[in-house]
Amino acid sequence: DIQMTQSPSSLSASVGDRVTITCRPSQSISSYLNWYQQKPGKAPKLLIYAASSLQSGVPSRFSGSGSGTDFTLTISSLQSEDFATYYCQQTYSTPKTFGQGTKVAIK
Amino acid sequence: QVQLQESGPGLVKPSQTLSLTCTVSGGSISSGDYYWSWIRQPPGKGLEWIGYFFHSGSTSYNPSLKSRVTMSADTSKNQFSLKLSSVTAADTAVYYCARERVVPATSFDSWGQGTLVTVSS
Repeated sequence: DIQMTQSPSSLSASVGDRVTITCRPSQSISSYLNWYQQKPGKAPKLLIYAASSLQSGVPSRFSGSGSGTDFTLTISSLQSEDFATYYCQQTYSTPKTFGQGTKVAIK
Repeated sequence: QVQLQESGPGLVKPSQTLSLTCTVSGGSISSGDYYWSWIRQPPGKGLEWIGYFFHSGSTSYNPSLKSRVTMSADTSKNQFSLKLSSVTAADTAVYYCARERVVPATSFDSWGQGTLVTVSS
């Protein structure tokens, strides 16, 4: 199985801050990487697919980059509705594995 | 817009079989453009992919669960199902059904709201 390691596991930030979350798979996965946002009690929501493509309806302050074994999710200016847990996921091979999550909390 | 809704018992006894159904509206599970998937999340923990069912009848399961998982579908009702046998407390989780698209890239683009299944006597 491909292990997905996110960092940090949690962070505190203020509205307006630029936030960066990193995801590192245990082997190269080309660009087969997605990012999801999950709020408490809700299902995950797709934000970014194929490492850098913005899902329809997702605000442009979200962006993704990277390939191979190093990926980044960036929120350019954090908004109140962005406080949530973020997961990366690889679809390069089965089983399709997720990172452990990064919780973004209010400072 | 497609919608998915999980249903099934919220409490299952240890060693018994967990059975869940996902009802899809606004789209057909017979479409060859999607895989119909199950994902679970133990309380306070991360996400685990269980597997998928494809309209042709093919399936793919997480090897860690493969010996206990069966997925199927009822196209007449536009539903797909999960059965997980010999459950233990470790199977307590919120279970999500999700649609996995292939184009433009493999990703879970629609999810059900999730249903909590507790394994306890």
